[in-house]
This record gives sequence, C-alpha cells and structure tokens, in this order.
Amino acid sequence: GAVVSQHPSRVICKSGTSVKIECRSLDFQATTMFWYRQFPKQSLMLMATSNEGSKATYEQGVEKDKFLINHASLTLSTLTVTSAHPEDSSFYICSARGVRQQETQYFGPGTRLLVL
Amino acid sequence: KNEVEQSPQNLTAQEGEFITINCSYSVGISALHWLQQHPGGGIVSLFMLSSGKKKHGRLIATINIQEKHSSLHITASHPRDSAVYICAVRYNYGGSQGNLIFGKGTKLSVKP
Repeated sequence: GAVVSQHPSRVICKSGTSVKIECRSLDFQATTMFWYRQFPKQSLMLMATSNEGSKATYEQGVEKDKFLINHASLTLSTLTVTSAHPEDSSFYICSARGVRQQETQYFGPGTRLLVL
Repeated sequence: KNEVEQSPQNLTAQEGEFITINCSYSVGISALHWLQQHPGGGIVSLFMLSSGKKKHGRLIATINIQEKHSSLHITASHPRDSAVYICAVRYNYGGSQGNLIFGKGTKLSVKP
C-alpha cells in the first residue's frame, strides 16, 4: 500500500522557536495533503487541507500565520509551527491522498511535539 | 451537526475472543474508514467502505447505509491487536473534497 512518512518523529523545543515538520508521500503523487492535530485522549482534529501548488485551507480556529503550510510538490508538504508555545505541544499527523487513490487517505506516523 | 459515535469507548478482551466495535453516523456519507492507532501514535488505514463488507485477514468491516452504522470485527483476537480503533467518515459535500470526521476511538486491550 501507499506510504506516507513524517520527519521528525519527535521534537522538543524551547518556547518561542519555530519547528518544521515534513510529510512525504513515498510512492504516489499526493495532490491533497491534510494536517491533523491530536491532543491526548482526543480525536484527530483537522487543521488544514492543502492542494499542491495552492494555498492551504485552514479550519476555523486554526491560525494560518502560526501554522504555516507549504505544499510545493506532489510528494512533500511541510507544516511550520512558528513561535511555538507549550500549548502547541501535541501530536501532529499528516495524511495524503492522490488522484489514483480516490477517497483513500494514507496517514503518516505522526510527529510528537513538546514545547518547553 | 455531523457526528461520529463509536462504542464502546474501552474494551478489554481475552486472547481468542471475537471483538466487535461499532460506529454510527448521522447523515449520508460517501465513504467510511476504519483506522488503527498504535500506542506510539502511528495510524494505519484498515478499511475504506462505501457499502457491503470487506475482509482482510482476521479483520472484517461491514456497513449498513440505511441504518448509518458500521462494525469492525476482529476474530481470534491477539494481544498485538491492542490499539485504538478509529472510525472516520466523509460526508457528502457534493464533491470529493469532503473532509474526514473522526470518532473518538475505541481503546482495545487484549489480554493473553
């Protein structure tokens, strides 16, 4: 099956710094990528949807200037958490879907962010 | 309000038992996913259904469109099946860009 990777898998940073998370589709072209956030014992919550070559669509309540998303190629999307604060500590998961995959979404392994 | 309800929230079983996890949703959907989230957080897509039944190994997923209900069954459960199982649906938004709505998950623990 299709594979989606994320890097890094875990990151610890100081408050105020920026953190970039990469999401790659390894064996298919991801025309659409999704970024989710999951707090402990909570459902996955969609943060934004990005289509290759266009601006991301953010969900209500998600600050686009704080969570910068770039989907510059069909195999790579990045999420940058700018000026991270402890409340941004969470599990960030990307998911990708391609034209051939139709409705199927493939999930990355997630990135655990801890902001001190 | 579009919601996805799962039951039970927590489930403990003995190795070898037959497991059923349920998912219900409120309005018409274009697809339903069953996902498995391991303790480390990684998510694996188990099934995508729009009708009928699918089987993969010891896992079986069924969906009843009229009743807006889906079940995930695990036969001959094993401790390695211990994980959180998540139901997610894509509602009919009139296009293929409808986002997934996730249930809160069912935490399964299989004891040896």
